[in-house]
Amino acid sequence: KQEVTQIPAALSVPEGENLVLNCSFTDSAIYNLQWFRQDPGKGLTSLLLIQSSQREQTSGRLNASLDKSSGRSTLYIAASQPGDSATYLCAVSGTGNQFYFGTGTSLTVIP
Amino acid sequence: DVKVTQSSRYLVKRTGEKVFLECVQDMDHENMFWYRQDPGLGLRLIYFSYDVKMKEKGDIPEGYSVSREKKERFSLILESASTNQTSMYLCASSLWRGEEKLFFGSGTQLSVL
Repeated sequence: KQEVTQIPAALSVPEGENLVLNCSFTDSAIYNLQWFRQDPGKGLTSLLLIQSSQREQTSGRLNASLDKSSGRSTLYIAASQPGDSATYLCAVSGTGNQFYFGTGTSLTVIP
Repeated sequence: DVKVTQSSRYLVKRTGEKVFLECVQDMDHENMFWYRQDPGLGLRLIYFSYDVKMKEKGDIPEGYSVSREKKERFSLILESASTNQTSMYLCASSLWRGEEKLFFGSGTQLSVL
């Protein structure tokens, strides 16, 4: 069964800093990898989707990369802002239309 | 953009009650999912459905059942609620192909007393 790990579990940075969140998965046979943001007590919002044939995707200050062969993805956030404070989760999809989630990284950006 | 609507944001029920959680999506998605989210455990799949009247058990189906009579609606049923079912419940949907995005509702925080 696919296992998804996110390190670190929590991260605190000063405003303006660039940062990287990590996601690793055990089975490289994936269709895609998605990064989500979750605010406290809310649902998940999709940030970026990387297809298995792609290496990276960008949206504004966010850049996600995928190295399928090594089972790794990173989410790069440039010039962090207090509004970026949230929990970030990654998920991979594979056979059987199922999605497998990491437990997330809780990010705090200090003004 | 896709909208996934969960009928309640907060719900308080008594032990032994039958509980219905409703989820509706407006983008003609084939796949619909029910997850529960607990601190330290992440998201765990309860059930998913890939078509009307079709369902598959996820990782933790015990104590739950589901219904999908129409393509846009996927209901989660707690037959006899117990305190260990207190949790955040999240509904999601996607196109049937695994390469498409997963869209979530805003969640239902269920408390069973």
